[in-house]
Amino acid sequence: DAGITQSPRHKVTETGTPVTLRCHQTENHRYMYWYRQDPGHGLRLIHYSYGVKDTDKGEVSDGYSVSRSKTEDFLLTLESATSSQTSVYFCAISPRQGNTGELFFGEGSRLTVL
Amino acid sequence: QKEVEQNSGPLSVPEGAIASLNCTYSDRGSQSFFWYRQYSGKSPELIMFIYSNGDKEDGRFTAQLNKASQYVSLLIRDSQPSDSATYLCASHTGGFKTIFGAGTRLFVKA
Repeated sequence: DAGITQSPRHKVTETGTPVTLRCHQTENHRYMYWYRQDPGHGLRLIHYSYGVKDTDKGEVSDGYSVSRSKTEDFLLTLESATSSQTSVYFCAISPRQGNTGELFFGEGSRLTVL
Repeated sequence: QKEVEQNSGPLSVPEGAIASLNCTYSDRGSQSFFWYRQYSGKSPELIMFIYSNGDKEDGRFTAQLNKASQYVSLLIRDSQPSDSATYLCASHTGGFKTIFGAGTRLFVKA
């Protein structure tokens, strides 16, 4: 158990509304990630963080922003949700010093945009 | 676009058989490779990683890597119904780039 919790676990929202997903970790890991998972696409990186206030874009970052004001929390915001952002969102951490590619995932947040 | 390719399956094997899951990758700069297991409705769980050419064994699982062929595989010996899941292959090229395949569904028949 990597001590990762995501909230909310399920959310239904309407197109055009802002949505924030929260990832909380209890073990002081430096590296945190947001992925989305869609059928046929596998996991795709949205944004990642390598420290407090240090974030960068992944391969599918359009329409998303992130913030990390303290080590334990990494927030993903959909500024104006669209139906194409209906997905399962996973937060992940790298448990080792440096980024080796090993990832431990939270339980996921299922978002439906109507 | 760097890719990791997997057959989506389902791969169906009888209980007690060897399940063989395969993956190819396109980025020759990939340094390490990972296998994740994902049960339906759950999050991915890391089960194996491999960095060097050859085989790596852990219990009933063996990961195999052939960098010349850009090929990674996972063998599951003595397959059990509890092994039924989707298996995700991933490659890491350094930095923050971990690329995932779409996964292979495995079904182990009792």
